Amino acid sequence: QKEVEQNSGPLSVPEGAIASLNCTYSDRGSQSFFWYRQYSGKSPELIMSIYSNGDKEDGRFTAQLNKASQYVSLLIRDSQPSDSATYLCAVNGHSTLTFGKGTMLLVSP
Amino acid sequence: DTGVSQDPRHKITKRGQNVTFRCDPISEHNRLYWYRQTLGQGPEFLTYFQNEAQLEKSRLLSDRFSAERPKGSFSTLEIQRTEQGDSAMYLCASSLVTGPGELFFGEGSRLTVL
Repeated sequence: QKEVEQNSGPLSVPEGAIASLNCTYSDRGSQSFFWYRQYSGKSPELIMSIYSNGDKEDGRFTAQLNKASQYVSLLIRDSQPSDSATYLCAVNGHSTLTFGKGTMLLVSP
Repeated sequence: DTGVSQDPRHKITKRGQNVTFRCDPISEHNRLYWYRQTLGQGPEFLTYFQNEAQLEKSRLLSDRFSAERPKGSFSTLEIQRTEQGDSAMYLCASSLVTGPGELFFGEGSRLTVL
């Protein structure tokens, strides 16, 4: 059974700090990796995708992938209170996504 | 196109009743997915369609659940003989074939079974 593990948190960081969110996955055949953000009471929205080992940057967000360690991370620089949400790691093996439980991030002003 | 739409947004029903949810995907998206999410959990895959063909169903999906996507446009998810454990948010998402992990979610249909 494919598993995606995340620390449920909450992860609390002050405004302006770097938030680091981590995820591990069990299926070594997984091909693509995603981070979704979910505000309370809302549906998930895609914020980052990564397909190869290394880093991928998009604005204040950096996704990191290490397939050998089966590890994905998301860094949020200059965290803002509006970044407070649950961040879901998702892994795609063939055609469907498996989601982790998500990590709640709280950014305090 | 305003995105994925779901109806109804909320449904309260009594145990044993049947319920049906509808999803209208983004028009150019040929893949449509149903997920279920409960409090404190990530979305759990239920089933997905490519055009009108149902290509995969979760092994966890009870035979009380059935989904259709006639003509490859909107989809319906029916739950027969509802149980209290069916209470959840039912999320529909769509994507292009070329971007199977890049899902666009609707606002969800929240089911409460009394």
